[in-house]
This record gives sequence, structure tokens and C-alpha cells, in this order.
Amino acid sequence: NAGVTQTPKFRILKIGQSMTLQCTQDMNHNYMYWYRQDPGMGLKLIYYSVGAGITDKGEVPNGYNVSRSTTEDFPLRLELAAPSQTSVYFCASSPPGHYEQYFGPGTRLTVT
Amino acid sequence: AQTVTQSQPEMSVQEAETVTLSCTYDTSESDYYLFWYKQPPSRQMILVIRQEAYKQQNATENRFSVNFQKAAKSFSLKISDSQLGDAAMYFCAYRRHMNYGGSQGNLIFGKGTKLSVKP
Repeated sequence: NAGVTQTPKFRILKIGQSMTLQCTQDMNHNYMYWYRQDPGMGLKLIYYSVGAGITDKGEVPNGYNVSRSTTEDFPLRLELAAPSQTSVYFCASSPPGHYEQYFGPGTRLTVT
Repeated sequence: AQTVTQSQPEMSVQEAETVTLSCTYDTSESDYYLFWYKQPPSRQMILVIRQEAYKQQNATENRFSVNFQKAAKSFSLKISDSQLGDAAMYFCAYRRHMNYGGSQGNLIFGKGTKLSVKP
């Protein structure tokens, strides 16, 4: 099993550009999450999904969108990138009723 | 809303010594989970240890153990026989029990403690 994979590992965007961060898991987990980690801070929840076709906002959703068309994939879309979105982004997954989350390796995004 | 506080931004320990990282949390719920995650320079989030709130016995994983004080809402991590590979950011995290309405199992993190290990 590859676990949770994320692409790209690094990306530099110009202000106003858009991009999609990819997240895939091969563990057949229903629950998936997107977090961001700002310097010197813990992770904060952006969006989550409890299954294909079902998504909802977390603590810091502004400027992002998500979709969940399959169990495996949970892409995060940034529209009109802003410097405030410079961060490290983590995707995680979890089976229902289970307390452990499995994290991807993260994507470091810089917006200049 | 639940919050997690780590009051030690940085800690240092001599190799082979013992160090304790502090974590406090705030919640009105009686059932929940607590975790310690390790984040080395590679950025990968690695689960170190977990504790179910309903269990009175403190969790232990090899050199890592916790002191869980439910009434005080305290959850400290003790690392014994510290090794150079233990150097990393350590995050304390809270997760609501899935039985609570509206809980989708996301983690609530503290700001982290950077642990240095001196040879």
C-alpha cells in the first residue's frame, strides 16, 4: 500500500494564479481531510469529506474548494492564490469509527 | 470549541536523558482521544502515541509514555533514553469522539514543541 500520496511536493504560484493539490489514498478510507500548517503553528482543518460526494468546511475554508468524486481522491483547489495561502498542506485519511489518521507527506506552497 | 495548548515552544535534552513535553486542553466533553505526533524535518506526521479518555491507564509505546490527568485536562509526553532521532517538532492533538453529533473526527492541534537532542 502506498498509503496517502500528495502531489506536487513543492510549488511556487504567482498571486492570482490557480492550482489543484492532489491527494490519493489506497486504503479505502471513507474520511479524508485537508489541513494547512503555517510557520510555527499546528495544523488547521480546511475541508473534510466523509465519503464520495460529501464534503464540508473546516476551520479555515476561505479561498479553497474541494470535491470528492471517488473514495480514493480528494483534490484541493486554490482559486486566485494570495500570499496568505503560503503554507504547507497536508492530506489525511481515516476509516470511520477509527481514531487514527494517516497523513500524506505534505505540499509546500509559496505564493509570491 | 476545543483548544489545545503547548506552553513550551522549544525544549532541549541530552542524549540518553529523559524529557517531558507538556500539553493542556480544554473541552466540555467526557469522551475523546488524545495524540502526540512527531514531525521531523522531512515534514511527515508520525503518530507517536494515543490515549482514549475513558481509559485511566496511561499509554506507553516503548520509550514514549504519557501522563494523562483527565480532571486537570493535562496530557504530557515523556521520552526516556532520548536518541538523536527523537529531535523533531512534537504536536499534541485532540479528537472528538465519533459519537458526538457533528464530529467528523478531525484533529485539533497545539502549536507544537521543538525538541532538540544534544549528543
